[in-house]
Amino acid sequence: GAGVSQTPSNKVTEKGKYVELRCDPISGHTALYWYRQSLGQGPEFLIYFQGTGAADDSGLPNDRFFAVRPEGSVSTLKIQRTERGDSAVYLCASSTQSQGEQFFGPGTRLTVL
Amino acid sequence: GESVGLHLPTLSVQEGDNSIINCAYSNSASDYFIWYKQESGKGPQFIIDIRSNMDKRQGQRVTVLLNKTVKHLSLQIAATQPGDSAVYFCAENLSGGSYIPTFGRGTSLIVHP
Repeated sequence: GAGVSQTPSNKVTEKGKYVELRCDPISGHTALYWYRQSLGQGPEFLIYFQGTGAADDSGLPNDRFFAVRPEGSVSTLKIQRTERGDSAVYLCASSTQSQGEQFFGPGTRLTVL
Repeated sequence: GESVGLHLPTLSVQEGDNSIINCAYSNSASDYFIWYKQESGKGPQFIIDIRSNMDKRQGQRVTVLLNKTVKHLSLQIAATQPGDSAVYFCAENLSGGSYIPTFGRGTSLIVHP
């Protein structure tokens, strides 16, 4: 069966631009997570959705970051006014329930020039 | 100056040897622990988990040991194979609330044929 997919796989943008990163979770998974991973580090939690609502957004670094999941399936992570420090791999994961094993996508590598 | 985050601890082993990867966790209130494997260009993959009411759990070729007294986890891989080469992360989860793992720094395992 299909796993978690993320698009694009790579995104290069210029400082100050707006970007959207997409996550398609495993079908039927109600919980969806976004993480950010810098080189040589473990994934860092950003936001968690249970269904359509953000159950925990405490990991979003500032108000330039926003995520939506309008129909409880696909999610989009939106970054406004990108900065060079936003460069990282953005990972998405989904699970059948909030306490379940998380299945990760391959990530989107974002490079801000 | 040197960026410590770019230099992962590394374990090099010969194919067929047993590997032990260690992890110190930070929060004594954590009650659930997971080991993940991350290959280059991919998202983390669940290997094995353990709850705080256990000291040891075994899977296929892997064993996780938990020492709550010193807040230490280890992952043992038996008969290590070249396909085991990856970065391994331990993650801890605080008791109660939603399941949002906090990842450790990671250890790079290199298996020489």
